[in-house]
Amino acid sequence: EDQVTQSPEALRLQEGESSSLNCSYTVSGLRGLFWYRQDPGKGPEFLFTLYSAGEEKEKERLKATLTKKESFLHITAPKPEDSATYLCAVPNPYNTDKLIFGTGTRLQVFP
Amino acid sequence: NAGVTQTPKFQVLKTGQSMTLQCAQDMNHEYMSWYRQDPGMGLRLIHYSVGAGITDQGEVPNGYNVSRSTTEDFPLRLLSAAPSQTSVYFCASSIGQGLDYTFGSGTRLTVV
Repeated sequence: EDQVTQSPEALRLQEGESSSLNCSYTVSGLRGLFWYRQDPGKGPEFLFTLYSAGEEKEKERLKATLTKKESFLHITAPKPEDSATYLCAVPNPYNTDKLIFGTGTRLQVFP
Repeated sequence: NAGVTQTPKFQVLKTGQSMTLQCAQDMNHEYMSWYRQDPGMGLRLIHYSVGAGITDQGEVPNGYNVSRSTTEDFPLRLLSAAPSQTSVYFCASSIGQGLDYTFGSGTRLTVV
């Protein structure tokens, strides 16, 4: 079964304490991996798309990387405003019109 | 602001009632989707559309109906609401296959 698994479920960091979030997938023939940020009471907001192993993308304190089996979202020197739930998703390999989402990592950054 | 607009933001229904969740986008996106989000289960695809007049089922379509008469609008109809349909519903749109989606702000639905 094609699956997307995110870990940890929740992460508490002190401001400035860098860490990484993991997204592992079992789909064959990956056709992209998406990272989204979701704030409470709001819809997911697009962050990055990665298409091939070795690819990296950066935005402010966030850097996303991709291997053949997983993706990491690295957060460098986080600030309280980085607190949110981070979601990853991959297209269904049999129908790329459908996205398969992980359950997310809830990040809390304390001052 | 351009984007995906969902109405209403909150709704309470009684079991057996029907209603329509509205979704409109002004970005001329061909692809539109409806997801539901439940605690611990992530976002699950209900129905999607790849263009006006074309719709298809996602992974949890039972109890829901959609139509796509225009590029801009993609309403989701609950035929006979059940407590199991209590959830947060998100509409999303994309310019093309395999590309990132823009999400609306969601509709929180409670069925009692």
